[in-house]
Amino acid sequence: GDSVTQMEGPVTLSEEAFLTINCTYTATGYPSLFWYVQYPGEGLQLLLKATKADDKGSNKGFEATYRKETTSFHLEKGSVQVSDSAVYFCALRSGNQFYFGTGTSLTVIP
Amino acid sequence: NAGVTQTPKFQVLKTGQSMTLQCAQDMNHNSMYWYRQDPGMGLRLIYYSASEGTTDKGEVPNGYNVSRLNKREFSLRLESAAPSQTSVYFCASSGATSGSGYTQYFGPGTRLTVL
Repeated sequence: GDSVTQMEGPVTLSEEAFLTINCTYTATGYPSLFWYVQYPGEGLQLLLKATKADDKGSNKGFEATYRKETTSFHLEKGSVQVSDSAVYFCALRSGNQFYFGTGTSLTVIP
Repeated sequence: NAGVTQTPKFQVLKTGQSMTLQCAQDMNHNSMYWYRQDPGMGLRLIYYSASEGTTDKGEVPNGYNVSRLNKREFSLRLESAAPSQTSVYFCASSGATSGSGYTQYFGPGTRLTVL
């Protein structure tokens, strides 16, 4: 069945460091891919998305490229800030259903 | 435009008690979902409703029932709560409305403790 596997955390980085969180997927057909962010005590918020191969989603300095050949959608940011500390979820949509990774906790220290 | 709203935000129950979690969306979405989130397990789908009048089981439906009351509202009922149902519950909606592109939008969550 369809599924998402993402890099296990927790991840701790210093401010201004480069961030990569790996995400790979298994799906039939051509799913849409998403990254969501969850701040403490809150629900999930859409961070970015891509709907077809080679699309790049971007928002707030974060980027991810839909790579069909490697079935990946890795999240990157060039320079993280303390305010980026949160849990990040990779997800795919197949039909009416969404499949989520287990989440990666990021802590950015000053 | 409130998006997805959930009530209550917090709830404490005793084993065997019942309760209903309420969810409403104002984005005219067709599909609505209930998830539970437990530490280290990500989000697990309990039930979903692809459209008004239909509901389907997700990954972990046991111990829960749902009602799609109308297009806006989707409730989750625990008939006899158990400690294993202690969790954070999220409602979400999605649909092909302008600009959303089938993106899923989440409510703020209900933090439920069963003693």
